[in-house]
Amino acid sequence: EVQLVESGGNLVQPGGSLRLSCAASGFTFSNYWMNWVRQAPGKGLEWVATIKSDGGEKYDVASVRGRFTISRDNAKNTLYLQMNSLRAEDTAVYYCARGSLTVAGIFEYWGQGTPVTVSS
Amino acid sequence: DIVMTQSPDSLAVSLGERATINCQSSQSLLYSSNNKNYLSWYQHKPGQPPKLLIYWASTRASGVPDRFSGSGSGTDFTLTISSLQAEDVAVYYCQQYYSTLPLTFGGGTKVEIK
Repeated sequence: EVQLVESGGNLVQPGGSLRLSCAASGFTFSNYWMNWVRQAPGKGLEWVATIKSDGGEKYDVASVRGRFTISRDNAKNTLYLQMNSLRAEDTAVYYCARGSLTVAGIFEYWGQGTPVTVSS
Repeated sequence: DIVMTQSPDSLAVSLGERATINCQSSQSLLYSSNNKNYLSWYQHKPGQPPKLLIYWASTRASGVPDRFSGSGSGTDFTLTISSLQAEDVAVYYCQQYYSTLPLTFGGGTKVEIK
């Protein structure tokens, strides 16, 4: 059974940093694209970042570029999102989502999400 | 950026009746080399993570009931729930993966029981 468990969400002040983690199990993690998707309160889904199976390709949305970094440790079956210079508009539930074997943008399985609140 | 526009924003349908959700993209999602449309549909229920329903515009994901179907090509797509069940109450999103910079979702359509 595919399982994705996010952690690391918290209340943080504007300008602060957080690192989100997503522990994966039930599949060969190193074979799959992985993603972060967020949902701000009362809003729709927004893609944040994507990383290829071997970490060799990364993509992110313009609003987080230069502030957020997606990474992965295939030996630990874990996906990360390092978030720096956080802003109020980054407040959201952050979901880890498994991509497909061959296509970057299909979100086949999702974790339960971890909440991030940016507020003073 | 490829803009995804869904309609309607919400709809109320009687149990057992058909629900139809439309999604339009600002540019074609049909990749000519493989004749595939790079579009997926997701169901999002309150308190749960989103769930993949449809990919390649019309392929049902594993375990998805066959009352859910996707159709369309190019820039116009439709998600149809042929016979609405109580457990189908949710927000539905279309999403394009033709371009990874950025991947984009529609604004969502809320489906309720009339």
